Amino acid sequence: NAGVTQTPKFRILKIGQSMTLQCAQDMNHNYMYWYRQDPGMGLKLIYYSVGAGITDKGEVPNGYNVSRSTTEDFPLRLELAAPSQTSVYFCASRRTGAEETQYFGPGTRLLVL
Amino acid sequence: QKEVEQDPGPLSVPEGAIVSLNCTYSNSAFQYFMWYRQYSRKGPELLMYTYSSGNKEDGRFTAQVDKSSKYISLFIRDSQPSDSATYLCAMSWPYNTDKLIFGTGTRLQVFP
Repeated sequence: NAGVTQTPKFRILKIGQSMTLQCAQDMNHNYMYWYRQDPGMGLKLIYYSVGAGITDKGEVPNGYNVSRSTTEDFPLRLELAAPSQTSVYFCASRRTGAEETQYFGPGTRLLVL
Repeated sequence: QKEVEQDPGPLSVPEGAIVSLNCTYSNSAFQYFMWYRQYSRKGPELLMYTYSSGNKEDGRFTAQVDKSSKYISLFIRDSQPSDSATYLCAMSWPYNTDKLIFGTGTRLQVFP
């Protein structure tokens, strides 16, 4: 049972480039989340999904897109990368009924130069 | 005013000390209160969970919720160097449990 996995672990992007951060979970969880974590700023919710085919915006969705075609995968797309998107990105999942327990992946460190 | 306020620290204590970590919040509708622990360069993991008011104990850790003061605390007894991490409080409210609201985290260092 791998839990929540994220790839890549680290990436450097040039301004204007695009990329997809991958997230997968093998726990059959309905809920999945994308957060960004900046120093001293805590976790900010970017997008979340309550099941395959259903996604919704979080607190800071601008500059990002998501899709959820399967229960297992929840990729995050960055279009036209900007320096303000330099951050650590965490994917998380939880099962229905367990509001308190989100399982986090190891994170992707992104540097936009 | 932020929905959840947390002192960023860092908090540096000697091994064996009692540690108190705190969060205040402004939304009186919050009913679910959590503490997550995050080691350096890792994802957060759930440490303690409390529903509504009261105390909850788990080994060396005690979580307290005071809804009248909109204040939650995490106490660590007999702190160990392995407790060195960032501690994030998180909250949510009934009928909107899709999302958690996180504090900014308090960095704790326990030195031998």
